[in-house]
Amino acid sequence: DAGVIQSPRHEVTEMGQEVTLRCKPISGHNSLFWYRQTMMRGLELLIYFNNNVPIDDSGMPEDRFSAKMPNASFSTLKIQPSEPRDSAVYFCASSSLTLLDRNSNQPQHFGDGTRLSIL
Amino acid sequence: DAKTTQPPSMDCAEGRAANLPCNHSTISGNEYVYWYRQIHSQGPQYIIHGLKNNETNEMASLIITEDRKSSTLILPHATLRDTAVYYCIVVRRALTFGSGTRLQVQP
Repeated sequence: DAGVIQSPRHEVTEMGQEVTLRCKPISGHNSLFWYRQTMMRGLELLIYFNNNVPIDDSGMPEDRFSAKMPNASFSTLKIQPSEPRDSAVYFCASSSLTLLDRNSNQPQHFGDGTRLSIL
Repeated sequence: DAKTTQPPSMDCAEGRAANLPCNHSTISGNEYVYWYRQIHSQGPQYIIHGLKNNETNEMASLIITEDRKSSTLILPHATLRDTAVYYCIVVRRALTFGSGTRLQVQP
């Protein structure tokens, strides 16, 4: 079975440019998560969706960041304009978690990430 | 979500069992204990999770104390490929990763 697929694997761009990261969750999963990993802050949750609806975006650092999930098989994380401090590895994960779950008994499965460098 | 405490690093000889401890003294009754690992430059990999009972799968065993305030992840026969950072996470819905334990398996 295909896992979570992220693209691109690496992105290098100049500050001020728009960056779009893409994610295809595991088929049948209805929850999708975006994380960011840096040496300083570790792995942080940015936003998560359930049934294509954003549920918690409290981890999104600022208005330059936006995420969408137009359908169950695709999500994007956009940074506009990008800044050098946005350089990090961005991970997408998916699970079968539903909002009705009082407890999180469904593991998240991660993609291989996008390594983003803003010059 | 409850906070977890793990040793920053551990060593283990290849072929021996690796026992990774985790303290989660503030865990609530309906929060699960999850273990993930991250091998350099890869995404976190799910290992195992549990609520109250001990769990075992093809990768590892999870031992949770009766009071649920701590747990131990056991890799029964560690190999060099098990060298990674291991994260113990107590979660209700979303994952909050701490610093984890860097496990180095020695030949």
